[in-house]
Amino acid sequence: GQQLNQSPQSMFIQEGEDVSMNCTSSSIFNTWLWYKQDPGEGPVLLIALYKAGELTSNGRLTAQFGTTRKDSFLNISASIPSDVGIYFCAGQFSARQLTFGSGTQLTVLP
Amino acid sequence: NAGVTQTPKFRILKIGQSMTLQCAQDMNHNYMYWYRQDPGMGLKLIYYSVGAGITDKGEVPNGYNVSRSTTEDFPLRLELAAPSQTSVYFCASSYSSPGGRDYGYTFGSGTRLTVV
Repeated sequence: GQQLNQSPQSMFIQEGEDVSMNCTSSSIFNTWLWYKQDPGEGPVLLIALYKAGELTSNGRLTAQFGTTRKDSFLNISASIPSDVGIYFCAGQFSARQLTFGSGTQLTVLP
Repeated sequence: NAGVTQTPKFRILKIGQSMTLQCAQDMNHNYMYWYRQDPGMGLKLIYYSVGAGITDKGEVPNGYNVSRSTTEDFPLRLELAAPSQTSVYFCASSYSSPGGRDYGYTFGSGTRLTVV
């Protein structure tokens, strides 16, 4: 099946710093999605990207759909304590099925 | 607006027992999905449904069954529970447009299942 490589696996940053994480794939996708998961909860959609090259923001979050359609990145600016959690990328080629990355565990230190 | 509701939140099963994980959505989404998440891993698709009466296998369907008799409900059945099925199970739903793009991909809060 399709594989997504998400990096880094974990990050420890100081409050106020910017964060960047990315996903790469050996296969092309038509949609990239970024999710955040808090402990004991399901993933919550942060940003959806539907076109190659698309750059989309949601508050302090910015994500881009790579031009090769095989990668995407997520940036978080001016991190705050509530940004703590696991961030997942997900790629979709055909309708119905998402392929998930293994997640980036983000810790924000005060 | 409840979104996607899963029950129960926690369950412990003995090997060989069976159970049904319930999932309901009130967003009139046509597509529904079941995923499992193992520790430190991303989500893997078990089964999905594109509408009432239609289901199909995902990446890891063995040991599970599903049915979709209504748009709202998509239960997941484990017939003979095995320790390998210890995991957190997430139900999700989305709306798929005629152009094939999925919108509003929404997850429930999960069912934590332990098989002993």
